[in-house]
Amino acid sequence: QKEVEQDPGPLSVPEGAIVSLNCTYSNSAFQYFMWYRQYSRKGPELLMYTYSSGNKEDGRFTAQVDKSSKYISLFIRDSQPSDSATYLCAMRPGVTGNQFYFGTGTSLTVIP
Amino acid sequence: DVKVTQSSRYLVKRTGEKVFLECVQDMDHENMFWYRQDPGLGLRLIYFSYDVKMKEKGDIPEGYSVSREKKERFSLILESASTNQTSMYLCASAEQVPLIAKNIQYFGAGTRLSVL
Repeated sequence: QKEVEQDPGPLSVPEGAIVSLNCTYSNSAFQYFMWYRQYSRKGPELLMYTYSSGNKEDGRFTAQVDKSSKYISLFIRDSQPSDSATYLCAMRPGVTGNQFYFGTGTSLTVIP
Repeated sequence: DVKVTQSSRYLVKRTGEKVFLECVQDMDHENMFWYRQDPGLGLRLIYFSYDVKMKEKGDIPEGYSVSREKKERFSLILESASTNQTSMYLCASAEQVPLIAKNIQYFGAGTRLSVL
């Protein structure tokens, strides 16, 4: 079983829709959770970062962590064509370990 | 802003050639990483380094080696390139893990390597 599971999609939505992207994980030691956005032929860029459980909002983006269910989500409100990209979840343990664990990415297309 | 710079965006090499991929970061980060990214497989860790001259194997180190002579620079070496090493290579850097920290990886733009 992979440490982090992410539905690869592809996901296609109309402009203005609410998008929900999700990852599940198996390691209860994970405490830091990140979402990266990767445009085609570019490197991933950090979009959202959360520590432990709870919600974090930044503009149209909301990151949600449910540690009891080992489940994280990224919500995009009022989606725009410029949101079309691959979204990668990532996580890592707390004070020990230098490795990060990534999902395989979900490809999103927002249709004008 | 953190900057991670990979020396080449696109490279075309022949089978059997020795290939060097260079990465430089400007944030004095202790940790640096090399990944390859392939469709359907996501990011796979090749090697990482947590200090100068220190390295650890990731999930797929076979056919690769690394060098970290200076803190800001981390090189990936393909000793004898093969066609199955055609991929997107991503370098990243991150702070060391203190007790309370913003543990984030910052990525370069990637090098798309084709081995013919």
